[in-house]
Amino acid sequence: NAGVMQNPRHLVRRRGQEARLRCSPMKGHSHVYWYRQLPEEGLKFMVYLQKENIIDESGMPKERFSAEFPKEGPSILRIQQVVRGDSAAYFCASSPRPDGYTGELFFGEGSRLTVL
Amino acid sequence: KQEVTQIPAALSVPEGENLVLNCSSTDSAIYNLQWFRQDPGKGLTSLLLIQSSQREQTSGRLNASLDKSSGRSTLYIAASQPGDSATYLCAPKGGATNKLIFGTGTLLAVQP
Repeated sequence: NAGVMQNPRHLVRRRGQEARLRCSPMKGHSHVYWYRQLPEEGLKFMVYLQKENIIDESGMPKERFSAEFPKEGPSILRIQQVVRGDSAAYFCASSPRPDGYTGELFFGEGSRLTVL
Repeated sequence: KQEVTQIPAALSVPEGENLVLNCSSTDSAIYNLQWFRQDPGKGLTSLLLIQSSQREQTSGRLNASLDKSSGRSTLYIAASQPGDSATYLCAPKGGATNKLIFGTGTLLAVQP
C-alpha cells in the first residue's frame, strides 16, 4: 500500500509563472489536506478537501491559490503568478475518515517550490 | 484561534538519556493528538496517535500522554539514540474542525 505521493518533489518557477502541485492520497483515503511550511516556520493549514468538495479553505490565501480534488485523479494545489514569498514546502496529507475522533493523518514527502 | 506551543524549542543531549518533550494547546477540546517527527528536508512521519478517550500510547521507546482537561501532551523518549535526532511536532485536532494545528516543534539532537 503506497503512501501519500506528491509530485513534483522539487519545482522551480520564475515570478509570474504558475505552479501546480499534485497529491495522490493513500489507497482508500478520500480526505486530503494541504499544509505549507515556510522557511524556518511551522506547518500551516491551507485547505481540506474531500472528493469533489472543498470542506475548509480557511488557510488559503484569498488570491492566486486554488485547490481541487476531482472524482478521478490526484488533488491539485495551484498557485498562479507566483511570487518569491510563495517559496516553501507544500505538504499533502490524507486520512480515511471524516470525523475528528479517529482519522490519523499520513503525510507525503512534500513538494518544495522555489520562486526565482 | 487555537495555538500550540512546544517546549523546549531545542534540546541537545548525550546518547542514552531519557527525554520529555512538552506540548500545550490553548484549546482543550481535543479529539485526538498526533506526534510526528520531521527529518531535515523530509516529510512528516507519524509516531503516535492518541485518541481523546485515551491517556497514553506507547510504541517502542516512545510513550505519549494526553491530559485533555489541560490541553497538554508529553512525548517521552527512552534511551535516546543519535537516530532520534529530528524535529518533533505535536498536532492536536480540535473539536470545531477536522484539521490538525501544528506546534512550533522541538529540535532534538542526540550526541553519540
